[in-house]
Amino acid sequence: DAGITQSPRHKVTETGTPVTLRCHQTENHRYMYWYRQDPGHGLRLIHYSYGVKDTDKGEVSDGYSVSRSKTEDFLLTLESATSSQTSVYFCAIREAVGTDTQYFGPGTRLTVL
Amino acid sequence: GENVEQHPSTLSVQEGDSAVIKCTYSDSASNYFPWYKQELGKGPQLIIDIRSNVGEKKDQRIAVTLNKTAKHFSLHITETQPEDSAVYFCAASKNSGNQFYFGTGTSLTVIP
Repeated sequence: DAGITQSPRHKVTETGTPVTLRCHQTENHRYMYWYRQDPGHGLRLIHYSYGVKDTDKGEVSDGYSVSRSKTEDFLLTLESATSSQTSVYFCAIREAVGTDTQYFGPGTRLTVL
Repeated sequence: GENVEQHPSTLSVQEGDSAVIKCTYSDSASNYFPWYKQELGKGPQLIIDIRSNVGEKKDQRIAVTLNKTAKHFSLHITETQPEDSAVYFCAASKNSGNQFYFGTGTSLTVIP
């Protein structure tokens, strides 16, 4: 999985609780992404980062926030989890401008009860 | 924004036969089209990609074709093997952009 780890790999939580997912890369790539994968929707971009402390929204960003304080770590936070955020979350990385390819991590399965 | 449609959603083939998965896109500015293979419980893995200045690209048993005029691209897998069974996703993006738009996936089953 291209030097990408995600933690935790599985999590069950209750509605209204905060949740933080972590993506860690060893490739020193500049760009990092968070996607969610749901049946019938493919993968949809939540947020992305183009450098330390530089982030931007994707198409399904409502209810999520992100932070990147180090090149290697990109955190996704659900401030108050809802059942609609039950999904599989994938992190991806991309090397630099001029290279299009994104490489994906193994995913985190989140269940919100 | 871009809209990527993928067909079929499920596909079963006999081992040794060919499999074809098709995607259409709506934004004529899209210029990068990757294909990903996802096995159960794993993240998507890039298997082949094509840029808009190329009409076809081949890598052993896998090929991708692109028709810019019609705004569609296809994945072709020849001599299928049971290990090709997985979910395949197409995607489109533009200008080394950060927004990839994915199709909804095709579940391919290769029957031994």
